[in-house]
Amino acid sequence: EIVLTQSPDFHSVTPKEKVTITCRASQSIGYSLHWFQQKPGQSPNLLIKYAYQSISGVPSRFSGSGSGTEFTLTIDSLEAEDAATYFCHQSTNLPWTFGQGTKVEIK
Amino acid sequence: QVQLVQSGAEVKKPGASVKVSCKASGYTFTGHNIHWVRQAPGQGLEWMGWINPHSDVTYYAQKFQGRVTMTRDTSISSAYIELSNLRPDDTAVYYCSREGTVTTAGTLNYWGQGTLVTVSS
Repeated sequence: EIVLTQSPDFHSVTPKEKVTITCRASQSIGYSLHWFQQKPGQSPNLLIKYAYQSISGVPSRFSGSGSGTEFTLTIDSLEAEDAATYFCHQSTNLPWTFGQGTKVEIK
Repeated sequence: QVQLVQSGAEVKKPGASVKVSCKASGYTFTGHNIHWVRQAPGQGLEWMGWINPHSDVTYYAQKFQGRVTMTRDTSISSAYIELSNLRPDDTAVYYCSREGTVTTAGTLNYWGQGTLVTVSS
């Protein structure tokens, strides 16, 4: 099973600050890494697919990069509505797996 | 528009079984795999498996094999997950999610609202 490890576990940031979240895979997964945002009491929402591909309707301040075993989600100029937990997810190998999550709090 | 609507919250005793439904609309039900993901209170996301509604082929995560059954009823565009021999640590919100196809294969691009299953004596 592919293990995804996110860092940091928790991020406390001020509005307009840039946020970077890293996801490391225990083995190479090519580009099959996706990012989700989950707000309290809501279902996960797909932000980025295949490491860097944007999703229609998602603000352009969200971007992804990376390949192989190391991936990054970047939020440029954080807004208050971005307070949430962010998860990475791989669909290269079965079983599919998720990172443990990174909680982003607004100061 | 694509919608996945799940059944309501359940409270079960240890050792019992639970069956959660997921009714799809707004797309061709047999054209997309349905995945099930659960989330224990305050915890992360745990992938449980998938079902291909067209072929009825299923894949279960090893952790749940022997206790989980995923089924579908194409006549009413619904998918189901049944988990047996429930334990308190099965308490979680259970989500169904639709996988994309072609250029979005491998992505979970639509989710149900979640069903809270509480296991308590």
